[in-house]
Amino acid sequence: EVQLVESGGGLFQPGGSLRLSCAASGFTFSTYWMSWVRQAPGKGLQWVASIKQDGSEKYYVDSVKGRFTISRDNAKNSLYLQMNSLRAEDTAVYYCARWWHDAGFDYWGQGTLVTVSS
Amino acid sequence: DIQMTQSPSTLSASVGDRVTITCRASQSISSWLAWYQQKPGKAPNLLIYKASSLESGVPSRFSGSGSGTEFTLTISSLQPDDFATYYCQQYKTFPYTFGQGTKLEIK
Repeated sequence: EVQLVESGGGLFQPGGSLRLSCAASGFTFSTYWMSWVRQAPGKGLQWVASIKQDGSEKYYVDSVKGRFTISRDNAKNSLYLQMNSLRAEDTAVYYCARWWHDAGFDYWGQGTLVTVSS
Repeated sequence: DIQMTQSPSTLSASVGDRVTITCRASQSISSWLAWYQQKPGKAPNLLIYKASSLESGVPSRFSGSGSGTEFTLTISSLQPDDFATYYCQQYKTFPYTFGQGTKLEIK
């Protein structure tokens, strides 16, 4: 059974940093693109970042470029999102999602809430 | 960036109704479009990919069509479990973008 379990969310101050983690199991992690998608309270979905199987390609939405870094450790079946220079508008539930080849995000974690507030 | 616009934003319907949700892209995305269903407090669930391919395990009352810039998601006969919010997403190019969502409510 495919499972994606996020952790690392909580309450953080503007300008602060945190690292989200996503533990993957039930599939061959190293063969899939992985992504982070977020959803602000009461709002729609926003793609944040994606990373290729070997980490050689990374893509970000403009609003997080230079502040967030996506990474992965295939030996640990884990995906990460390093979030720096936090802003109030980064407040959201962050989902880890598996990208199914040319088809969509076929598995999602349960999400972890990040709240940025003083 | 490619903008995705869904209509309507809210749709009221009854069990058994046939409903259609439209998604328009600001430029051609060929068939690189997915549809998701999301229920409150839950992660989204993939319904349709490549505009018209039904994801495994998704009931056949869901169908997708379209290509280029205009796409539709149709539910042929609404069931109580279908009342949720639906999102389209383009994946022709990064940044991937979602529509703003269509909330399907019980009439």
